[in-house]
Amino acid sequence: DTGVSQNPRHKITKRGQNVTFRCDPISEHNRLYWYRQTLGQGPEFLTYFQNEAQLEKSRLLSDRFSAERPKGSFSTLEIQRTEQGDSAMYLCASSRNSGREKLFFGSGTQLSVL
Amino acid sequence: SQELEQSPQSLIVQEGKNLTINCTSSKTLYGLYWYKQKYGEGLIFLMMLQKGGEEKSHEKITAKLDEKKQQSSLHITASQPSHAGIYLCGADSLLDSGYALNFGKGTSLLVTP
Repeated sequence: DTGVSQNPRHKITKRGQNVTFRCDPISEHNRLYWYRQTLGQGPEFLTYFQNEAQLEKSRLLSDRFSAERPKGSFSTLEIQRTEQGDSAMYLCASSRNSGREKLFFGSGTQLSVL
Repeated sequence: SQELEQSPQSLIVQEGKNLTINCTSSKTLYGLYWYKQKYGEGLIFLMMLQKGGEEKSHEKITAKLDEKKQQSSLHITASQPSHAGIYLCGADSLLDSGYALNFGKGTSLLVTP
C-alpha cells in the first residue's frame, strides 16, 4: 500500500476565496471519506463515496462545500467563499469495501483562512 | 446520533507508568475502533473490536470492549515517550446510506522522562 495521499498539506487563503483539496486513496479501495477536524475535537464526518457515487451529502457543513470523485479514483473537496470558521484540518480516508471496517487516513490538509 | 465520550481529556504520565483511557458510547456499540494521531497529522489505526468481551493487544497496548456497558478501554503498559499523542475512539454510526465512523474528542497523552 502506498497509503492515502492528500495535497496540499497546508493551505493559507483569504476570506472569500475558493479552495480545492485533493485526495488519492489506496488504489484498490472503493470507499473514500472526507472528515473535518478542528482543534481539540475528533474528526467530524462530512461525506463519502462508493466508487464514483456520493452516497451521503447531508453532513456537508453548508452548500459552500462540495466533493467529487469523477472516475472513482481520486477525490476533490471544494470550499467556496471561504470563511474564517472553515479553518481546520481536512482529512481523507479510504477503505476497501462497504463500511464497518478500518479506515486508512491521509495526513490531512491544514486550511487557514485569514 | 451516537455520541462518544472519552475520558480523561488529557493525561500526563511518567515514563514506565501504566495508563487507561476510556470511551463510552450513548448507543449500542457494533464496532469500536482505536486510532492514534500525532499533532497535525493523520490518524493511525491501532485496533478494532467487534464483539462484547473482545480484547486485543498489540505490543504494549490492550483494548477491551464491554458491549453491555457500551464502553471500551485502552490500556498502555509501561508507557514510553513514543506513546505520546492523541488517542481517538471511533464507532460505526448508521446513516441512511450506510455506515461511517463517528469519533470521540480524543485523549491527549504526554509521557514525561
